[in-house]
Amino acid sequence: GQQVMQIPQYQHVQEGEDFTTYCNSSTTLSNIQWYKQRPGGHPVFLIQLVKSGEVKKQKRLTFQFGEAKKNSSLHITATQTTDVGTYFCADGSSNTGKLIFGQGTTLQVKP
Amino acid sequence: KAGVTQTPRYLIKTRGQQVTLSCSPISGHRSVSWYQQTPGQGLQFLFEYFSETQRNKGNFPGRFSGRQFSNSRSEMNVSTLELGDSALYLCASTFRGQITDTQYFGPGTRLTVL
Repeated sequence: GQQVMQIPQYQHVQEGEDFTTYCNSSTTLSNIQWYKQRPGGHPVFLIQLVKSGEVKKQKRLTFQFGEAKKNSSLHITATQTTDVGTYFCADGSSNTGKLIFGQGTTLQVKP
Repeated sequence: KAGVTQTPRYLIKTRGQQVTLSCSPISGHRSVSWYQQTPGQGLQFLFEYFSETQRNKGNFPGRFSGRQFSNSRSEMNVSTLELGDSALYLCASTFRGQITDTQYFGPGTRLTVL
């Protein structure tokens, strides 16, 4: 069935370093969504990408959707300790409330 | 607007018992999705309800069931609990945008099966 692969599984960085997580799908996605889950918390919606080649920025976060709409990335510039958590991408192609999540990338930031 | 609420927040049950979890979506949202989150399997879709009808179902056994009421509140039930059902159960309320839908998650119910 439809799968979304996300790498890396874990990333430890020094505060101030950059961070990137990648999301890949075997099929074309109509849209991809990104969520952040803090330790002990629940997934919080960050952004949604719909168009081929789309790039969106939220302060230090940059989200990209591939030209073929099969991959996406989230890049954080100059990480801070508040960035700690697990970042998930999710295939939102279904229009019946089903998100297919990647396995997530857990980010640890050393102060 | 108030966010998605889930009750209870924590539950401890023993094998063989059954459990009912509740979710109240954001006001005005008519779609509710349920997910199971475990360290090994990640976030897995259980089912989705819209206007009291189940529109989509994930690959879970029939012990997992749900329903939605006319006020959009939803419940999920797990019967004959197994140790492997220990998980964080998340409910998501869907905002229907012009192009796509966006889901907003509740805080979850942490279920421990002993």
